[in-house]
Amino acid sequence: AQSVTQPDIHITVSEGASLELRCNYSYGATPYLFWYVQSPGQGLQLLLKYFSGDTLVQGIKGFEAEFKRSQSSFNLRKPSVHWSDAAEYFCAVGAVPGAGSYQLTFGKGTKLSVIP
Amino acid sequence: NAGVTQTPKFQVLKTGQSMTLQCAQDMNHNSMYWYRQDPGMGLRLIYYSASEGTTDKGEVPNGYNVSRLNKREFSLRLESAAPSQTSVYFCASSVEGSNQPQHFGDGTRLSIL
Repeated sequence: AQSVTQPDIHITVSEGASLELRCNYSYGATPYLFWYVQSPGQGLQLLLKYFSGDTLVQGIKGFEAEFKRSQSSFNLRKPSVHWSDAAEYFCAVGAVPGAGSYQLTFGKGTKLSVIP
Repeated sequence: NAGVTQTPKFQVLKTGQSMTLQCAQDMNHNSMYWYRQDPGMGLRLIYYSASEGTTDKGEVPNGYNVSRLNKREFSLRLESAAPSQTSVYFCASSVEGSNQPQHFGDGTRLSIL
């Protein structure tokens, strides 16, 4: 069975500080990995995705994530956080395109608070 | 450029009442999905439709039915609402099947008393 663990339920950082949100996954084949962001009262917006190629992936809003197969991790990073980054972040795993599986499994989310 | 539109945005029901949540996308996507989001639980897939004319159960389908009315529309029906179905429901769509990145609606906040 596939699963995603986001160990940190809530993280608080100061504006301008760096950020790393952790994601560990369990998946029996080559994973397709995603990070989404959800602002209050909104749906989820895709930040970035990865299933092959360079293991450092660039996304929108200045975010990047690094895939480490040996650690089953896909951590999200940002060098300098802005107050507008305060939101909830979800990591998700699924099958690679063409594999015929439509099940995306989400982590429980990490809520990010930013101190001005 | 609406993307994924869900109606209604809010609804309060009494136990035992029925209701249909509507979802429409204008991106010509083949695949559509219904999720529920509960505090501390992340998103869980209820049903999905890989393409027009097909529907399949996800992780938590009990108590729900779906209809893929056409390529644009995918509805979720609660036949006899229960308090355990109080949740925020999200519809999503994707370019093609097999977990291509999904585009989400803004959600329907449903309370069942």
